[in-house]
Amino acid sequence: GAVVSQHPSRVICKSGTSVKIECRSLDFQATTMFWYRQFPKQSLMLMATSNEGSKATYEQGVEKDKFLINHASLTLSTLTVTSAHPEDSSFYICSASRSSSYEQYFGPGTRLTVT
Amino acid sequence: GESVGLHLPTLSVQEGDNSIINCAYSNSASDYFIWYKQESGKGPQFIIDIRSNMDKRQGQRVTVLLNKTVKHLSLQIAATQPGDSAVYFCAENWNNFNKFYFGSGTKLNVKP
Repeated sequence: GAVVSQHPSRVICKSGTSVKIECRSLDFQATTMFWYRQFPKQSLMLMATSNEGSKATYEQGVEKDKFLINHASLTLSTLTVTSAHPEDSSFYICSASRSSSYEQYFGPGTRLTVT
Repeated sequence: GESVGLHLPTLSVQEGDNSIINCAYSNSASDYFIWYKQESGKGPQFIIDIRSNMDKRQGQRVTVLLNKTVKHLSLQIAATQPGDSAVYFCAENWNNFNKFYFGSGTKLNVKP
């Protein structure tokens, strides 16, 4: 149990376009989902925390208008990278947790390449 | 967020040897820690956790040690196997219900 999926696994988009990444909890209800970004050979950087039905909380330095997060249901959160630029190319990873639980279940990640 | 583990060392060990991976954390208020394993191109996998009221916790082939005095965590892997090759991260949490900050990681190479 506690499986998290992401879609797509890889995406290539042109500079200036927007791309949406989905994160789904497949067999549990996730009251909280997290989005991380990871550059090559670096650590995971927490971007934002989203709770179902409310606005996401962004970490310092993360542009909320550029990285739109929607947590519309207990099993789905989406991250939209708007007006993507090559420097947005990265590995984006989501995680999900149940209510009253510290444990996070991670998705497999999405590799975004902006050309 | 706070930074945890300011290095990215690489540790090479021989198959069958024990491995020790270290992590320094900076927030003395941190009270819960998790070690994750990340294989190339995949999301992190939970290995073991420890709360600040403990200084040692053991799992299957893994042991986590916590030294709050010097803000240091270590992960010990017994009888390291080729399948243990990955990047290992520690992550910390402080008074912030299930929000974690990751350290810079250590790459473990296991030589057959």
